[in-house]
Amino acid sequence: GAVVSQHPSWVICKSGTSVKIECRSLDFQATTMFWYRQFPKQSLMLMATSNEGSKATYEQGVEKDKFLINHASLTLSTLTVTSAHPEDSSFYICSARDSGGASTDTQYFGPGTRLTVL
Amino acid sequence: AQSVTQLDSQVPVFEEAPVELRCNYSSSVSVYLFWYVQYPNQGLQLLLKYLSGSTLVKGINGFEAEFNKSQTSFHLRKPSVHISDTAEYFCAVSYDYKLSFGAGTTVTVRA
Repeated sequence: GAVVSQHPSWVICKSGTSVKIECRSLDFQATTMFWYRQFPKQSLMLMATSNEGSKATYEQGVEKDKFLINHASLTLSTLTVTSAHPEDSSFYICSARDSGGASTDTQYFGPGTRLTVL
Repeated sequence: AQSVTQLDSQVPVFEEAPVELRCNYSSSVSVYLFWYVQYPNQGLQLLLKYLSGSTLVKGINGFEAEFNKSQTSFHLRKPSVHISDTAEYFCAVSYDYKLSFGAGTTVTVRA
């Protein structure tokens, strides 16, 4: 149980285009999902907290107009990188908190999405 | 604010030898503690967690960790490693459901 999927697993796009990444909790409901960014050989940095039915909460220094988050249902959150540039190239990982289970304290992670902006 | 320090950036170890990965945390409030493992180009997998109760926590794949409140540490151990344990290991603290990660420790297991 507690499986989180991400789609796509990798994407290459041209500079200036927008890219949407989906994060789904497959066997549980998640009122809260999280989006992280990971640069090569570095740790995960929390970008934002995605709340079902309300606006996302962004960490300091993260541009909310560039990284649009939509949490439209209890099992789906999307991250859209708008007008992507090469510096946005990174590994994006989402996680979900099981809001209905016994382990509401635990985040379950997706497999990540490798974004390369040319 | 909470912070995590992983004291070793890289740990080379021979197969079937024991390994210890050190983690210290800083927090002015009670937190939950986690260890995650990340294999190349993959997401994170939960190894174990400490919420309360017994300070010795057993996780998956033969790993265990000990919470030491006085030393604010949560070191991860495995008595005998396998080649397949080669991965990146992250220690994390959770407060208000948000995770703060350490910089990670790369474990390389050699035959």
